[in-house]
Amino acid sequence: AQSVTQPDIHITVSEGASLELRCNYSYGATPYLFWYVQSPGQGLQLLLKYFSGDTLVQGIKGFEAEFKRSQSSFNLRKPSVHWSDAAEYFCARYGGSQGNLIFGKGTKLSVKP
Amino acid sequence: GAVVSQHPSRVICKSGTSVKIECRSLDFQATTMFWYRQFPKQSLMLMATSNEGSKATYEQGVEKDKFLINHASLTLSTLTVTSAHPEDSSFYICSALDRGVSNEQFFGPGTRLTVL
Repeated sequence: AQSVTQPDIHITVSEGASLELRCNYSYGATPYLFWYVQSPGQGLQLLLKYFSGDTLVQGIKGFEAEFKRSQSSFNLRKPSVHWSDAAEYFCARYGGSQGNLIFGKGTKLSVKP
Repeated sequence: GAVVSQHPSRVICKSGTSVKIECRSLDFQATTMFWYRQFPKQSLMLMATSNEGSKATYEQGVEKDKFLINHASLTLSTLTVTSAHPEDSSFYICSALDRGVSNEQFFGPGTRLTVL
């Protein structure tokens, strides 16, 4: 069955440090992949998505992600984290023909001063 | 981006009562909306797919008689939790699929349901 795995439940980084959030997917030669951010009281916001083409995808808020088919991964990166980046991050993939999403369990990012 | 609203944002009800949650796409038409459920510290799990003018498609294990979904217009889908019990307490999130230029899902802010 299709699935998305985010191995890290909680990550803490210092402000200004680089960030990498891991995401692995199973099943499917060419998955459609997404990264969302969820802040308290707000809906999920799309950071970036990968459908095809260039495997390095640029998103909003300075985030990028790289699709690596050989590793079944789609890791999210940011070179310098800001305190406002503290939130829950979800990796997701298309789950069916109707366009529903299958989510990973999420990674909570904390940013220390 | 497009905006999806949910109402109410928070609801507390007694066991046995029914609760209706509304999901609206404010600036685009959504023929397809999705309802997800999120447990604390867990992922979003798809409950059902709501298509305008037709019956919703429920995921395995989701009771369609308990979670009634109505998608009566291109901008509104409702989820009614019937005869709610404490185990139905959860965070319910809807999303609307914009099949226009972006073909992107836009999420509502969620509804926190607490059943006493």
